[in-house]
Formats: sequence, C-alpha cells, structure tokens
Amino acid sequence: EAGVAQSPRYKIIEKRQSVAFWCNPISGHATLYWYQQILGQGPKLLIQFQNNGVVDDSQLPKDRFSAERLKGVDSTLKIQPAKLEDSAVYLCASSNSGTQTHTQYFGPGTRLTVL
Amino acid sequence: RKEVEQDPGPFNVPEGATVAFNCTYSNSASQSFFWYRQDCRKEPKLLMSVYSSGNEDGRFTAQLNRASQYISLLIRDSKLSDSATYLCVVNILLGRDDKIIFGKGTRLHILP
Repeated sequence: EAGVAQSPRYKIIEKRQSVAFWCNPISGHATLYWYQQILGQGPKLLIQFQNNGVVDDSQLPKDRFSAERLKGVDSTLKIQPAKLEDSAVYLCASSNSGTQTHTQYFGPGTRLTVL
Repeated sequence: RKEVEQDPGPFNVPEGATVAFNCTYSNSASQSFFWYRQDCRKEPKLLMSVYSSGNEDGRFTAQLNRASQYISLLIRDSKLSDSATYLCVVNILLGRDDKIIFGKGTRLHILP
C-alpha cells in the first residue's frame, strides 16, 4: 500500500516569499492533517480536513497560511508571505475515519528553511 | 497547565535496562491516547494505542490512568534501536469533532 506522499522534500526561500506544499494521502483516507514541527518540538496541528471540509483550523495563522482540499483527496498548504519563524518541517498525515483507533500515517515531510 | 506534557529528557539508559516515561494531559474530555515514535529527521510512526485496560506489545507496555490523567510507556530489555523520540498523543472529543494534540516528545538514548 502506498504511503502518504509529500512534495517537495526540501525548500529554501527568502522571507516575504511564497511557498506551497503538496500532499497526497493514502487512498481512501477521508481525514487529512497538516502539522508544523519546529526543531525540538512535537508536531503542532495546523489544519484538519474531513473529506473536503475543514474540521479544525484553530491553530492555522490565517493571515499568512492557507490550505485547501478541493476534491477531498490531495491537499496543498500555502504560506504567503513567509517569515523566518516559519522554518520547520511540514508534515502531512492521513487517517481512516472509519476506524476507532484514529491511527495517523505520516508522510516524509517538507523541510522549509526561510532565510 | 499545558494540554499535553512530557518530560523532554533525554533519558540515557544502558542497553538491556527498563525505562519508563509518563505523559500528563489536562482535559478530562480526552478520549483516545497513543504513543508515536519519531526517529531523527523522520516522520512519526504509531507505536501503540493506549487502552483503559492497558496494552502490551512485546517489550512495550502502555497504561492509562484516567483518575490522575496520565499515560505511561514502559520499555523492557531496551535495544539500541529503541533510541528515538517518543511522542504522546491525546485525542479530545469536542462535540462531533476530535482535537488531536501531540506532546513535545521524550528523547531516549540507549547506550551500548
């Protein structure tokens, strides 16, 4: 079974530039998550989708971050404009909402460096 | 009080020893609990779910104490390959939706 795919794996940009990340979840998984993981910290949930609807985006900095999952499958996360403190690994995860365990399967992440 | 708290460590433990660490949570509406493992520069992966009755998987035992609001992870006969960061995850039921919170993780170093 193919896992969660993310691209790009690495991105270096200057502050005030824009960047976009892409995620393709495991086939059939209705729930998709975007996390931000700063070095030395645990993942912080940015946004959670159930199919193409937003379940939780309470920690998404909406003045600069946006995410969409238009067809309920793959998703993009955008930062515009980027700040130095956005340097982190952006993890995408998916889960099968039909199970009780809520096991999340993570992609390899996109490592963003903002200079 | 933070919603999910873990001792960041590092725990430096000799190979073969037993090690245990806890994770405390503040929201009594927390419903599901998990331990994830994250290797350096890798993505987190589910280690085990934590059930009310406890859960054992080989050398790993996870327990839940709802009265004191903490979960624990015990690793017996530790191996070098157990070196990783262990993330506590709490799933809080809010109406129809869940809120998922990760702890900051506990770093474990198994020493040869």
